[in-house]
Parts: sequence; C-alpha cells; structure tokens
Amino acid sequence: GAGVSQSPSNKVTEKGKDVELRCDPISGHTALYWYRQRLGQGLEFLIYFQGNSAPDKSGLPSDRFSAERTGESVSTLTIQRTQQEDSAVYLCASSLARDQPQHFGDGTRLSIL
Amino acid sequence: DAKTTQPTSMDCAEGRAANLPCNHSTISGNEYVYWYRQIHSQGPQYIIHGLKNNETNEMASLIITEDRKSSTLILPHATLRDTAVYYCIVRAPNTGGFKTIFGAGTRLFVKA
Repeated sequence: GAGVSQSPSNKVTEKGKDVELRCDPISGHTALYWYRQRLGQGLEFLIYFQGNSAPDKSGLPSDRFSAERTGESVSTLTIQRTQQEDSAVYLCASSLARDQPQHFGDGTRLSIL
Repeated sequence: DAKTTQPTSMDCAEGRAANLPCNHSTISGNEYVYWYRQIHSQGPQYIIHGLKNNETNEMASLIITEDRKSSTLILPHATLRDTAVYYCIVRAPNTGGFKTIFGAGTRLFVKA
C-alpha cells in the first residue's frame, strides 16, 4: 500500500525566500507529525496534528515556521524568510492513532543558499 | 519521556544475529520501548515496540529486562541491507510526538 509521501524530495532556495513543504499521510491515519533532521543528527520534533488541529506545536523553532492540515489528509509546513540554519531534511510521519507507531516519509531535503 | 543510552556504533557479520542494547533506567510504568531504524537518505522505519513482555515480529525480536531498565533489539540473521542507524525510544503512547527523543542512535555496520 502507499506510504507517507512528501514533496518535493529536494528544494534549493535563496535565503529570504518562503518555502512550502507538503506531506500526504497514509490514508486513514489521524495523527500527523513533522520533524527536522540536521546533517548527522537525530530527529527534532516540530509539530503534531490530531485531525486538523495541532495540540502540540512546541517544537516549531520560530514564528517563521507554520503548518496546517486539511481534515485528516495533506499537511503543509511553511517556512517564511528562510535562513541558512533552516537547511535540513524535513520529515513527516503519520500514525493510525496517537498511540500507534509512526510511519515516516523519506523527507524533503531543504538547502538554503 | 525517559532518556535512552545506546552505543555509538556496532559491527556484525552477515548472517549472524545482531544484538543492539539500550539503557532506559528512568523509564516510567506507562512508557513503551520503541525501536526504529534509518537507512541512509530514507525516513525512519518502525521496527517493533513493547511494554514489558518480549515481542517478536517478522523483522526482529525485542527483549526487555524484568526491571524494564534496559532492552535489546535482536536481528536474528543480519544482512547487508540491515546496515543503518537504530534508534531506541521510550515514550508513553498517549503523548503526542517524539519531541527530541530521537537521539544519536546506534550505527550498525553489517559486514560480508
């Protein structure tokens, strides 16, 4: 069956530009998560959605970062006025419910020039 | 969520069992032990999880000590494709997100 799909797989942009990253979770998964992974490091939690509400957005690093989710499907992570320190792989995961294991996409590799 | 400690790296010969340890001495009664792995350039892949009983699935076995302060992930017949970073995570299932608990993990090298 289809897994978690993320697009684009790679994004290169200039400092100061806005970027939008997309995540299509597994159909029927109510929980959706965004993480950031810097080169050679572990995963850093950003935000968690249950349905289209975000009960935990404690990991968003600044107000330049925002995310939304439409119903129990696609989510977008938006980074405004990108900075070089935003360069990382942005991973999305979904799970059938909050207490179920998470299934990850292969991420979007974001490079800020 | 409780903190976990894993060795930085391990080697294993192809065809042999790979035993990956994890210490979680501050684990709480309602926290599960989860294992994920990440192969280069891919997202993390769920392997197995458990509370206190040993668990087995098609990928691996999870052995949790009686006091739950440590666990071991066992890949019974390691292949070259099992070379990856293995993450041990402890969390209560009704909390949202894994926050920053994905640490450095154990880098497993399976050698021919």
